Amino acid sequence: EVQVLESGGGVVQPGGSLRLSCAASGFTFSNYAMSWVRQAPGKGLEWVSSISGRGGGTYYADSVKGRFTISRDNSKNTLFLQMNSLRAEDTAVYYCAKDTTLGSSARFDYWGQGTLVTVSS
Amino acid sequence: QSVLTQPPSASGTPGQRVTISCSGSSSNIGSNTVNWYQQLPGTAPKLLIYSNNQRPSGVPDRFSGSKSGTSASLAISGLQSEDEADYYCASWDDRLNGAVFGTGTKVTVL
Repeated sequence: EVQVLESGGGVVQPGGSLRLSCAASGFTFSNYAMSWVRQAPGKGLEWVSSISGRGGGTYYADSVKGRFTISRDNSKNTLFLQMNSLRAEDTAVYYCAKDTTLGSSARFDYWGQGTLVTVSS
Repeated sequence: QSVLTQPPSASGTPGQRVTISCSGSSSNIGSNTVNWYQQLPGTAPKLLIYSNNQRPSGVPDRFSGSKSGTSASLAISGLQSEDEADYYCASWDDRLNGAVFGTGTKVTVL
């Protein structure tokens, strides 16, 4: 059974940092791109970042470029999102999502339950 | 700011057919496939339609998708109470070099 499980959310002050993790199981992790998608309270879905299966290709939304870094450890079946210089507008539930291909696309067939990040003083 | 535009709401009575539109541009829908997601209240999104018109295993055939040019649509036939949810279209954008989601449509079963 495919599972993706996020962790690392919490409350952080503006300008602070947080690292999210996503533990995956039930599939060959390195064969698939992975992504982070967020949803601010009461708002729609916003794609944040994607990384190819081997980790050689990374992609970012303009809203997080230069502040967030996506990475993966294929030996541990884990995806990461390092978030620096956090702003109030980064407050959202962050979902980890599995892509259906090695390269990145907008086709996510498995999602985690989400982890809440709150940026507030 | 979402790149793909959807109507904010749609509604119908049980058994009716509801259609949701998704408007994009040449850099996203015009050159890539469209996927649709269903998000039930308080839950994570679920892949509903992929590659414009394909249903993942387990998705009822009441749900169908289509694409023409720079627009796509999702149709729900035989509307049921459990279809009450938010629906999002998504595609890859070659100009932005990233995925883009639609603004989302809330479907209400009257």
